[in-house]
Amino acid sequence: DTGVSQDPRHKITKRGQNVTFRCDPISEHNRLYWYRQTLGQGPEFLTYFQNEAQLEKSRLLSDRFSAERPKGSFSTLEIQRTEQGDSAMYLCASSLVGGRTDTQYFGPGTRLTVL
Amino acid sequence: AQTVTQSQPEMSVQEAETVTLSCTYDTSESDYYLFWYKQPPSRQMILVIRQEAYKQQNATENRFSVNFQKAAKSFSLKISDSQLGDAAMYFCAYRLHGSSNTGKLIFGQGTTLQVKP
Repeated sequence: DTGVSQDPRHKITKRGQNVTFRCDPISEHNRLYWYRQTLGQGPEFLTYFQNEAQLEKSRLLSDRFSAERPKGSFSTLEIQRTEQGDSAMYLCASSLVGGRTDTQYFGPGTRLTVL
Repeated sequence: AQTVTQSQPEMSVQEAETVTLSCTYDTSESDYYLFWYKQPPSRQMILVIRQEAYKQQNATENRFSVNFQKAAKSFSLKISDSQLGDAAMYFCAYRLHGSSNTGKLIFGQGTTLQVKP
């Protein structure tokens, strides 16, 4: 069990640029979640996948955000035309629904800074 | 809509002492889970303890225990024999039970715990 990994750990970009983050969940986990955490606040739900299907998106996920999970394995979160308000920590979590416990395990996050 | 409130932005405790972090939540549902997560500085969030709403018995994990008051919608975390490694931001979180639900976590604002040597 290697845990949830995220890449990159830090990303600095200029306003208007596109960025893409990657999340690799725990291998047998069928659910994958994306959260956004601003400084000093709790994480807020963005979207989640069950296998390869994206089943819910938060109102926080504007049209500039898109997430994919091809083949139900890793996931990517892309932000187009970044804005300064997108600066935050983007957290990924995975869980196994239907197992003994469906606890969500979090990755280390990707910290995005938009200049 | 469900909400989670942590009214203590910061707490401090002397090493080896006991501290209690508060959390209240609002929901109209009866079947749900409550969690405490720990987020050390610049490190990833880890689960400290979880409580199923249908269980009357309070959950315990080593030095960590909860006081779950369902009617009052209160869920506090007690840390006994505090250690320097307990210093972190602690988040209270809620989610609905059942695989048909999204399972998304709703977090409080967090409480930063300082442990003094």
